[in-house]
Amino acid sequence: QQKVQQSPESLSVPEGGMASLNCTSSDHNFQYFWWYRQHSGEGPKALMSIFSDGDKKEGRFTAHLNKASLHVSLHIRDSQPSDSALYFCAARVSGSFNKLTFGAGTRLAVCP
Amino acid sequence: EAAVTQSPRNKVTVTGGNVTLSCRQTNSHNYMYWYRQDTGHGLRLIHYSYGAGNLQIGDVPDGYKATRTTQEDFFLLLELASPSQTSLYFCASSERGGSYEQYFGPGTRLTVL
Repeated sequence: QQKVQQSPESLSVPEGGMASLNCTSSDHNFQYFWWYRQHSGEGPKALMSIFSDGDKKEGRFTAHLNKASLHVSLHIRDSQPSDSALYFCAARVSGSFNKLTFGAGTRLAVCP
Repeated sequence: EAAVTQSPRNKVTVTGGNVTLSCRQTNSHNYMYWYRQDTGHGLRLIHYSYGAGNLQIGDVPDGYKATRTTQEDFFLLLELASPSQTSLYFCASSERGGSYEQYFGPGTRLTVL
């Protein structure tokens, strides 16, 4: 079983809609979380990080972290076709050499 | 923005062949990483390094060697390639401090026949 699990595997939302992606961990040593986004044919690119409980907002993107339940979510407001991509959740252990553990990803399709 | 380049972009080899994948970053980052990406598994860490001459073992190291020759250059070696190593390979780099954000290259698609 992967230490970082993402759901759903795929998601389709209409343009202008809200997309919600989920990530849970089975390892309480994970304390720092990232969301990465990968467009087709490209390498992943960091979208945002969240290290403290609660919400973190960056433009149309909001991440939420609950450390007690090891649950992280990403919400994309006013989704655009350019948001269509593969989204990865990644987790890091406190004090580790920046070693990230990635989930399997959620593929988001935003339909015009 | 951090620049990470990889070569070749595509490679086809036969079972038992030798393959070297190259990665260069031009931002003086201390840390460099090699990942493989497979559907259903996401990105899995093969090897990583925190400086020239240093090598750390990742989560899926079997069948792979790596070498960090300079601050900028990190190589992944497959000495006896197998079909199970057919995958998309990414190199990444990050700073020593700050946010530790990892910057990825464009990837190398490797096919082992």
